[in-house]
Amino acid sequence: QQQVKQSPQSLIVQKGGISIINCAYENTAFDYFPWYQQFPGKGPALLIAIRPDVSEKKEGRFTISFNKSAKQFSLHIMDSQPGDSATYFCAASTRAGNNRKLIWGLGTSLAVNP
Amino acid sequence: NAGVTQTPKFQVLKTGQSMTLQCAQDMNHEYMSWYRQDPGMGLRLIHYSVGAGITDQGEVPNGYNVSRSTTEDFPLRLLSAAPSQTSVYFCASSGYRNTIYFGEGSWLTVV
Repeated sequence: QQQVKQSPQSLIVQKGGISIINCAYENTAFDYFPWYQQFPGKGPALLIAIRPDVSEKKEGRFTISFNKSAKQFSLHIMDSQPGDSATYFCAASTRAGNNRKLIWGLGTSLAVNP
Repeated sequence: NAGVTQTPKFQVLKTGQSMTLQCAQDMNHEYMSWYRQDPGMGLRLIHYSVGAGITDQGEVPNGYNVSRSTTEDFPLRLLSAAPSQTSVYFCASSGYRNTIYFGEGSWLTVV
């Protein structure tokens, strides 16, 4: 059962355009929502993350928008560049006892055309 | 500053063979985990450990064993390799913060 649904599966954007990736979750106990970026042949790396007490977080060209009532969050990449071409994973995390449990989306493959 | 180091990078196994994927981290993280990544299936948790001497199963543990004798090392053992275990394997670690640090991956092919 996929608790974090990520869409689209793949995305093609022209250079300079806006890339938007969406995620939806079910469990209201989730309290941390990271996005990871993975380049071909590499491991995922944390890109940006948000907690549910804020509706938006911006770091450079990357912005997370968070809608707690709709249980949705999205990644916006402004002025998309060919170097942004990668796979993006959203995730949602909740505390499970003394540990944290992380649920991953299935990923979005982004290609930015020059 | 090595972070999370995985070896080998590439491996080809014959069905039925066993092998160990090595993972080491130098960040003194308590939490370590192994994931496999397959096309269209995202990252699936195999096993994890919350500290030395403590391991637990993740989402897809069958066919894999782990141990955690030290804080730094978390090897993944394939007991009897099967073609279904052809995948990319990632070791990861995290500390008291929520950030997960991944290794660069191990590409395994079972023929």
